[in-house]
Amino acid sequence: QKEVEQNSGPLSVPEGAIASLNCTYSDRGSQSFFWYRQYSGKSPELIMFIYSNGDKEDGRFTAQLNKASQYVSLLIRDSQPSDSATYLCAVRPGGSYIPTFGRGTSLIVHP
Amino acid sequence: DAGVIQSPRHEVTEMGQEVTLRCKPISGHDYLFWYRQTMMRGLELLIYFNNNVPIDDSGMPEDRFSAKMPNASFSTLKIQPSEPRDSAVYFCASSPRGGAVTGELFFGEGSRLTVL
Repeated sequence: QKEVEQNSGPLSVPEGAIASLNCTYSDRGSQSFFWYRQYSGKSPELIMFIYSNGDKEDGRFTAQLNKASQYVSLLIRDSQPSDSATYLCAVRPGGSYIPTFGRGTSLIVHP
Repeated sequence: DAGVIQSPRHEVTEMGQEVTLRCKPISGHDYLFWYRQTMMRGLELLIYFNNNVPIDDSGMPEDRFSAKMPNASFSTLKIQPSEPRDSAVYFCASSPRGGAVTGELFFGEGSRLTVL
């Protein structure tokens, strides 16, 4: 079973702080890693993808990948109440086109 | 583009009834996915199609579930007979061939199914 694990939260941070969301995966052959955001009652939408070790930055979002530790994270700088949502980590195993999703971490950014 | 279109958005039915969920993928996308989302199990892949052909249906829970894609612009997910444990949000998603690199799936708004 190829698993993707996330802490369900909720993770509560004050407005303006850095939110750190973490994800671990079991398949060492995994090639690509994704972060989706899902607002309550809405569908998931892709916000970041990464496939090389290190950091990838896009605006206030930074994805971090450490394949040796089988660990991927998402940092949100200057968190805003509008960032309050569930963040789903998805991992595409080696040899497969299909990503496996974690159960998501609920983030609450309070004013 | 209108995005992935799903219908109905909400369905309330009684146990034993047949349920049909519909999906229109984004034009030009050659991959189509059906997912089910619950609090307990998260987002689970049920089945996916490539160029209208079912590729992997190992996530379909049992024979009560079936999916078809008669053409590139339409797919259905059918549950017959429905049971209360089928209550969930069912998402359809599509992806272009280039999604093989970015992994981006484009999700519809979902169909919330409640089986009484």
